[in-house]
Amino acid sequence: TQLLEQSPQFLSIQEGENLTVYCNSSSVFSSLQWYRQEPGEGPVLLVTVVTGGEVKKLKRLTFQFGDARKDSSLHITAAQPGDTGLYLCAGAGRGNKLVFGAGTILRVKS
Amino acid sequence: DSGVTQTPKHLITATGQRVTLRCSPRSGDLSVYWYQQSLDQGLQFLIQYYNGEERAKGNILERFSAQQFPDLHSELNLSSLELGDSALYFCASSVEGVAVGLGTQYFGPGTRLTVL
Repeated sequence: TQLLEQSPQFLSIQEGENLTVYCNSSSVFSSLQWYRQEPGEGPVLLVTVVTGGEVKKLKRLTFQFGDARKDSSLHITAAQPGDTGLYLCAGAGRGNKLVFGAGTILRVKS
Repeated sequence: DSGVTQTPKHLITATGQRVTLRCSPRSGDLSVYWYQQSLDQGLQFLIQYYNGEERAKGNILERFSAQQFPDLHSELNLSSLELGDSALYFCASSVEGVAVGLGTQYFGPGTRLTVL
């Protein structure tokens, strides 16, 4: 069974602080995606990383795919209250299925 | 707004009952995916349909079934409901039918099912 472990499970920080969320697995994934989900809504795709070592930036968010394609990280610089939400990583698993991590709940206080 | 619609938004029913959840994908999207999100299991893939045919199956119970109709809308049928089936059920759609994890899945707002 391919599993993705996310850490931390919960993060509460002040506006302006930096943070990193991790997504780890013992399995290799052909690609990895990061989603953000707000209460009462479905997840929204933020980014897809495909190549080992790949780094993608989306404004204040930086995504990295590990060299071995087993792990990924999401770094947010100068967090804002609007960044509050549930962050999910998802890997393209065997059988053409997305495997999701349990998620990281981020709360940014103003 | 993702363009994916799901009805109903909320559903409250009793154990042993049967319910049907409906999903209309974005215009032009041929693939529909169903997911279950619960506090203890997280977001779990259930099943995928592409242009009316089942394409991939995940952790879907035998009590659950789905289909995609010629107009591409999809229905998820849950029967003999148990307390543990209480969860958020999401539908997502995408244009392509292969290579999940490369394309974009657009998620609907979900149906919250409560089994009492």
